Amino acid sequence: AQSVTQLDSQVPVFEEAPVELRCNYSSSVSVYLFWYVQYPNQGLQLLLKYLSGSTLVKGINGFEAEFNKSQTSFHLRKPSVHISDTAEYFCAVRRLSGGYNKLIFGAGTRLAVHP
Amino acid sequence: GAVVSQHPSWVICKSGTSVKIECRSLDFQATTMFWYRQFPKQSLMLMATSNEGSKATYEQGVEKDKFLINHASLTLSTLTVTSAHPEDSSFYICSARPGGGRLTDTQYFGPGTRLTVL
Repeated sequence: AQSVTQLDSQVPVFEEAPVELRCNYSSSVSVYLFWYVQYPNQGLQLLLKYLSGSTLVKGINGFEAEFNKSQTSFHLRKPSVHISDTAEYFCAVRRLSGGYNKLIFGAGTRLAVHP
Repeated sequence: GAVVSQHPSWVICKSGTSVKIECRSLDFQATTMFWYRQFPKQSLMLMATSNEGSKATYEQGVEKDKFLINHASLTLSTLTVTSAHPEDSSFYICSARPGGGRLTDTQYFGPGTRLTVL
C-alpha cells in the first residue's frame, strides 16, 4: 500500500519570501507523484507531476518540485510567493503497475502568505 | 485545457431526501470518473471509481446503496446521495480521466459540490 505524509499542516510565510512544502511517501512499488492546489471552495488544480525522467519538475505559477528517490520525497518549492498563492496544497501518489490506480493524497498543507 | 464541471455547486436539503450531483467532462471523453469526499480541513477520500457503462467500484467502508453512482455516458457521471442525513454533509468532488488509455493520463478535477443536510 502507498501512503503520503505532508509534514507541515500549516506554513505561514511573508510575501516575496521563498517557501518549501514537504512531502514524503511510502511505497513498495514505483509511483507517479503529483502536487495539487485547492483554493477555498474549489476543486483541485494540478500544479505539477513527476512521471519519469528529470527529477526536477517545473509546474505552473512558478512552482517546482524535486523527486528524491533515496529519501522518498517530493518537496514543492517556490522562490518568491505572492498573496494569491494562499491555498491548500496536496501531495499525491499513484502506483505505476497493475493498471490505472487511484490517487493517494496527503493530508494537505495550508500555505498562508502574509503581506 | 480539460474542464470538468459539477452541478450544483451547492445544495441544501432536508434529512431523508435524496440529492443528485452531476459531473461532466466538457471538452473530452472520460473513460473513468472518480468521486471524492472532503471534510472540512481534511484531505480527499476516494469514495468510488466509475467506468462508463459498468458498475462503479466502491472503496471499503463506502455504502453503495447510499451513494449511487451512474456513469451513463463518456461525459457524464452522477452521484446520488439517498436518504441523506446531516452526517452526509460534506464537499463532494469528482475527477475525470481522459480516454487516452495511458497509465500516465492526468485526472482533471471538478470544482466540487457543497452538500448541507438539515
